Amino acid sequence: NAGVTQTPKFQVLKTGQSMTLQCAQDMNHNSMYWYRQDPGMGLRLIYYSASEGTTDKGEVPNGYNVSRLNKREFSLRLESAAPSQTSVYFCASSELQGALNYGYTFGSGTRLTVV
Amino acid sequence: DAKTTQPPSMDCAEGRAANLPCNHSTISGNEYVYWYRQIHSQGPQYIIHGLKNNETNEMASLIITEDRKSSTLILPHATLRDTAVYYCIVRGYNAGNMLTFGGGTRLMVKP
Repeated sequence: NAGVTQTPKFQVLKTGQSMTLQCAQDMNHNSMYWYRQDPGMGLRLIYYSASEGTTDKGEVPNGYNVSRLNKREFSLRLESAAPSQTSVYFCASSELQGALNYGYTFGSGTRLTVV
Repeated sequence: DAKTTQPPSMDCAEGRAANLPCNHSTISGNEYVYWYRQIHSQGPQYIIHGLKNNETNEMASLIITEDRKSSTLILPHATLRDTAVYYCIVRGYNAGNMLTFGGGTRLMVKP
């Protein structure tokens, strides 16, 4: 009963390095999301994928790219990391069709530090 | 999506009911009220949602006023493990409407 799995859980990058954050869900949800949360702040949406094959920008997309690899997986890529991207990154999924909507299911987060 | 207003912090005694208010005076007819919570360093957790009727599940109760301009999340018997930031979010019920998190209410349950 894994839900949403994010890897890695922790990462330290040097400025200018690139990396990909992985997210997978096993609930057969259509929609997936990437959020970031800075210390003491609420979550802000980076990108989302309403369904397999589609992606759209959220509130803070600059400096990121995403790939919806298949229905299960949604990855977030930092092409050239900057200290301002130091944050906790959360992946989420949801199923909005039908009466049994239990909202979003979130992963446990990836704590990224860019030095 | 309608904007919500929540008190930044609240205290509650362990074993007592915690009543967390939320104002959403600009809510429209097709928008739902959702509640999530975030326990320190973890991903947010869905609690409950509703449209206009009161709702109850194993975690909490949601009371929505008749004019739908405000709501209250009730944790009937708060425990120390309920200490968290609670977010009230209003959004439409379709794939194009995202969850937008505000500041939330930091609930501290005290022994």
